[in-house]
Amino acid sequence: EDKVVQSPLSLVVHEGDTVTLNCSYEVTNFRSLLWYKQEKKAPTFLFMLTSSGIEKKSGRLSSILDKKELFSILNITATQTGDSAVYLCAPAHDISSGSARQLTFGSGTQLTVLP
Amino acid sequence: SQTIHQWPATLVQPVGSPLSLECTVEGTSNPNLYWYRQAAGRGLQLLFYSVGIGQISSEVPQNLSASRPQDRQFILSSKKLLLSDSGFYLCAWRFAGNEQFFGPGTRLTVL
Repeated sequence: EDKVVQSPLSLVVHEGDTVTLNCSYEVTNFRSLLWYKQEKKAPTFLFMLTSSGIEKKSGRLSSILDKKELFSILNITATQTGDSAVYLCAPAHDISSGSARQLTFGSGTQLTVLP
Repeated sequence: SQTIHQWPATLVQPVGSPLSLECTVEGTSNPNLYWYRQAAGRGLQLLFYSVGIGQISSEVPQNLSASRPQDRQFILSSKKLLLSDSGFYLCAWRFAGNEQFFGPGTRLTVL
């Protein structure tokens, strides 16, 4: 059975702190690992990682994938109150040949950044 | 550029009533389309996906059904709502890459 586990479930920090969010996965026919940010509405796409060890960066956010150990981390440096959200990771994979490429989501990490 | 629309944005329905949620995509052809449900404080659960007109795959047996009458239209329905159908319903599209892009969602409350 496909499984995605995110940790911690929730995190409360102060502005300026650095946080690391974890995602481990076990899915069939893995293709890539996606991170989304959700703020009380629809998730918005952050990163897609396909290769191990290559860090993706976007401003204060960065992410890396380990395909051997089946996990990914999302780092946020110098956190701001606007970073408060649920962060979701989702491996993209094929359930079977001919099926649509699917995402299986973890339950997310609720990040709260206090001023 | 591509856009995805969902309506209504919010809905309050009594138990036993029917449901119809609509999703349309603009700016792309033959997308893969997906329906997800998110219960409060939970991750996204895939309900249905479609690779083309009239082609629907169901991931979770339940009280809901989906249809794709046109290339860029995806409809989620129920004949009789249950309390457990309450949640945040999200439609998403994918074309060539692995990324899925989400519509604004519908918050459904069943009373």
